Amino acid sequence: GEEVAQTPKHLVRGEGQKAKLYCAPIKGHSYVFWYQQVLKNEFKFLISFQNENVFDETGMPKERFSAKCLPNSPCSLEIQATKLEDSAVYFCASSQSLLRNEQFFGPGTRLTVL
Amino acid sequence: AQKVTQAQTEISVVEKEDVTLDCVYETRDTTYYLFWYKQPPSGELVFLIRRNSFDEQNEISGRYSWNFQKSTSSFNFTITASQVVDSAVYFCALSEDTGRRALTFGSGTRLQVQP
Repeated sequence: GEEVAQTPKHLVRGEGQKAKLYCAPIKGHSYVFWYQQVLKNEFKFLISFQNENVFDETGMPKERFSAKCLPNSPCSLEIQATKLEDSAVYFCASSQSLLRNEQFFGPGTRLTVL
Repeated sequence: AQKVTQAQTEISVVEKEDVTLDCVYETRDTTYYLFWYKQPPSGELVFLIRRNSFDEQNEISGRYSWNFQKSTSSFNFTITASQVVDSAVYFCALSEDTGRRALTFGSGTRLQVQP
């Protein structure tokens, strides 16, 4: 597609439940980045992929968070046993190449953990 | 480590005023990229501009202009004749040319344009 698509738009989970977020990058883009935006301001990088391979996972919390980008499927970000502090907007961005590194963002998924 | 500072938390102007949003960055890389994004109240992030560290030419796009000064590590953004639709949070971001390429964002400047 011409835009990065993220589903769902909103996700509400009780503490301890699992949350799974999806991202379809722009067609032809090889790189996918996940960011977490907390309190409407602070962005934190989580993980990036080059096609289906992890490119950089230095921002991923060691526990509870995992992500995948499988061929012919949307990328996913999964949080096991959500905590209150996981409440945030999760943005996915895609980039055609690292040469220009223009990252185009999806609309985000707002996760609320109660 | 890289860092982006947007010292202005919130700016309020009246329509048709010019406004400049400041961005100061820190990086050890000699090659890097600077970006500005707009986040309107609806929440999406809109890409505005990308600039690489070798290109210090100022850029103008309609009412928007950007002033990149390597000597002061600044990449400021000016909106001329502001409009109500410019009301948003604006983020400056940096990515280095080596390594992870993830964007490091500033904390954003909220711009309110009053009619």
